[in-house]
Amino acid sequence: NAGVTQTPKFQVLKTGQSMTLQCAQDMNHNSMYWYRQDPGMGLRLIYYSASEGTTDKGEVPNGYNVSRLNKREFSLRLESAAPSQTSVYFCASSEAQGQGLAYEQYFGPGTRLTVT
Amino acid sequence: EDKVVQSPLSLVVHEGDTVTLNCSYEVTNFRSLLWYKQEKKAPTFLFMLTSSGIEKKSGRLSSILDKKELSSILNITATQTGDSAIYLCAVIMEYGNKLVFGAGTILRVKS
Repeated sequence: NAGVTQTPKFQVLKTGQSMTLQCAQDMNHNSMYWYRQDPGMGLRLIYYSASEGTTDKGEVPNGYNVSRLNKREFSLRLESAAPSQTSVYFCASSEAQGQGLAYEQYFGPGTRLTVT
Repeated sequence: EDKVVQSPLSLVVHEGDTVTLNCSYEVTNFRSLLWYKQEKKAPTFLFMLTSSGIEKKSGRLSSILDKKELSSILNITATQTGDSAIYLCAVIMEYGNKLVFGAGTILRVKS
């Protein structure tokens, strides 16, 4: 059981380049999330997908797009990378939340992205 | 604006010490509070707290929620070097699917 997997583990981009971070989960979870983690700021939500076919903005969506390809996969795209997007990116998944239900999120190993 | 604040930001203790980490929140429609431990990579789940006053325990770690004070504490007794990590607190709201995270407490346990 792999849980949540992310690729790549590390990436260096030049300003203006584009790339897609891939995430997949094998736990049959409905909800998936993308976070970024910067020193002293904890985890901040970029986008999330409550269920297959839906996506919503989180706290810091500017400069990113997402695709919920199917129930397993949720990708994050940087169209034109900027140095401010240098960060560690985590994908997570959980059972569906809301309506009185709450479930813990399971995290992938992270992608360390540097934009020069 | 929904906010989760953790304190202290960092601390250094010696093996065998007991530590208490704090998490306070100001959110609309609180549902649950979660604690995670983050070592080198992904955060790993420790506890979920939904009801006030009920302690959750796992080995040397325990946590309790106080909904009146809008806060939670995480206790670690007889600390070991393997407890060195960032401890993250997060809150789930009643409606919607989002977690709001605090900035974390960096704990270093010296041998």
